[in-house]
Amino acid sequence: DSGVTQTPKHLITATGQRVTLRCSPRSGDLSVYWYQQSLDQGLQFLIHYYNGEERAKGNILERFSAQQFPDLHSELNLSSLELGDSALYFCASSVGDRGSVAFFGQGTRLTVV
Amino acid sequence: AQSVAQPEDQVNVAEGNPLTVKCTYSVSGNPYLFWYVQYPNRGLQFLLKYITGDNLVKGSYGFEAEFNKSQTSFHLKKPSALVSDSALYFCAFNDYKLSFGAGTTVTVRA
Repeated sequence: DSGVTQTPKHLITATGQRVTLRCSPRSGDLSVYWYQQSLDQGLQFLIHYYNGEERAKGNILERFSAQQFPDLHSELNLSSLELGDSALYFCASSVGDRGSVAFFGQGTRLTVV
Repeated sequence: AQSVAQPEDQVNVAEGNPLTVKCTYSVSGNPYLFWYVQYPNRGLQFLLKYITGDNLVKGSYGFEAEFNKSQTSFHLKKPSALVSDSALYFCAFNDYKLSFGAGTTVTVRA
């Protein structure tokens, strides 16, 4: 158990809908990273928050947004969902940023039908 | 653009033989490099990292990696592979975007 909690574990929703994925980092970790993992795209970096502030952004779609709250948990919001958004979404947390080890949650498997 | 590359999609070895998973990097300045492993339907697990210092880094489960600045490589190695090492291995670098290579599937046959 990495200590990073992601909810829900599985999510099935229809095209055009909006969902929220939640990540609770390990106690004491200030950084949260979000990733999308699909068979054809590999593990894609979406966004990094450090202590509530956006630190870096990857090729995150405009339909996707994220935030990190004062208690350091993070949420990834996916809207206007398309079939191609079906994937495994991971979050990871670390104490610091560049040099710190990131610990990954078990992921949320999103299926858009 | 900064990146890491894993030139092999798959590596197959027999149990007890040495295992090498290759990674090359294109990162400016001092690279922060990592290796992670992913087992089926699981999140990624940290194996080892190179920040600075000794070029030979020792990690979890008997793995080690050698940082080679002249060849811009950071290959993962294990002297004697186990069937349980069969998994998906990722090389990564962190420039505030913890970015991963495409991954290498390792199969260790008994």
